[in-house]
Order: sequence, then C-alpha cells, then structure tokens
Amino acid sequence: DVKVTQSSRYLVKRTGEKVFLECVQDMDHENMFWYRQDPGLGLRLIYFSYDVKMKEKGDIPEGYSVSREKKERFSLILESASTNQTSMYLCASRSGSNYNEQFFGPGTRLTVL
Amino acid sequence: QKEVEQNSGPLSVPEGAIASLNCTYSDRVSQSFFWYRQYSGKSPELIMSIYSNGDKEDGRFTAQLNKASQYVSLLIRDSQPSDSATYLCAVIPWEGGYQKVTFGTGTKLQVIP
Repeated sequence: DVKVTQSSRYLVKRTGEKVFLECVQDMDHENMFWYRQDPGLGLRLIYFSYDVKMKEKGDIPEGYSVSREKKERFSLILESASTNQTSMYLCASRSGSNYNEQFFGPGTRLTVL
Repeated sequence: QKEVEQNSGPLSVPEGAIASLNCTYSDRVSQSFFWYRQYSGKSPELIMSIYSNGDKEDGRFTAQLNKASQYVSLLIRDSQPSDSATYLCAVIPWEGGYQKVTFGTGTKLQVIP
C-alpha cells in the first residue's frame, strides 16, 4: 500500500512564526503536492513538485514556499505565519503517469493564533 | 465555469437505498477520473478510478463515465450509515506537461438509518 505520512496531525503556532510541514511518501512517486482545505472552498493547490529540487506554483502560493531535496520528502514552509493560514494542510503523491491515482497523507490541522 | 462541478448537497438517502452522485467536467479531452471519500476531519481516500466510457464496478460502488456528455457518476448500492461522508470527484485534464488533478468541491452524502 502507498503510504504518505505528515509530520504532525495538529499544530498550533503564533503569528509571525516560521512553520515547517513535512511530508514523506514511500512509493518512489515523482509528483508530490501540497493543498489546503477550507470549508466551502474545497481543495486548493499551493505548490507541487515533479522531481527533486523542482517545484511549480499552484493556485495559491502566496505566503508559502516548498523544498524537495530528496525524492521521498516534500516540505511546506510558512515563512511568517498569519491567522488566515489557519487551515487543514494535505500532502499528496502520485507517480508520473496520468493514469495513476493520487494518494493523500492524513493531513495537518494548523492553527495560527 | 468551474472545471469540475458537483452538487454540494447534502444528499440524503435511506439506509439500503442507492445513492447517486454526479460530477461534470469542462475539459473535453480529460483522460482520468477518480472518486474520493472524505470523512469529516480526515483526508480524502481514493475509492474508484475510471478511464474508459462505461461502468466500472467494485463491490457496492459503480463508477460511470460518459465522455461525450462530460460527466462521471458514482453509484453506491445498499447504502450504509458508514457511507455518510463527502465525496470528491477528481479529473486530470490533458494540458500537456505536468498534469495536476482538479477536484470538485464535493457532495455531502447522508445515509439515514
């Protein structure tokens, strides 16, 4: 079974803090994704990566950055957390073929006070 | 026009009935279609994938794809209270380059005991 893990299930941070969310997948997938999910807005893509050290902006990249130094690990960084970044953050991975499914990690519920 | 559209619901069905969930998409050349189930507070879980016109059955679930009409549906037979969740339709549009999964905002299903 594909396994995608995220570093924390729940996280509470203060405004202005730098926040790191980590994601690890064990299936050698090329593509990895970070989403946030808010009530009524659905899943919104923040960034994705199709290879080590490669990244592409998604629909809402402002206020976020990412890092992919190893194929299995994709990190999301909030440079200076703000209250409007309180959300559920979901990591996902998928192999290169368009016929392959995308699998999600368990999610991190981030609260910024 | 949204790329993937779903009725937000809630769709209420009695236990034992057939639940029918529908999704339309705008990109005529989309190739891959997925259904995810998401329980409240949890991450999306893949339940079905379909790539060709017609029906695909897996246990109590049947996915139906009609590319000419640009819709994909999910039928859940013998609905159980444990099926109560939000169901997300996902499509991979064919844009060339690195394809991102596009998600609908989901249909909330309530199975009434």
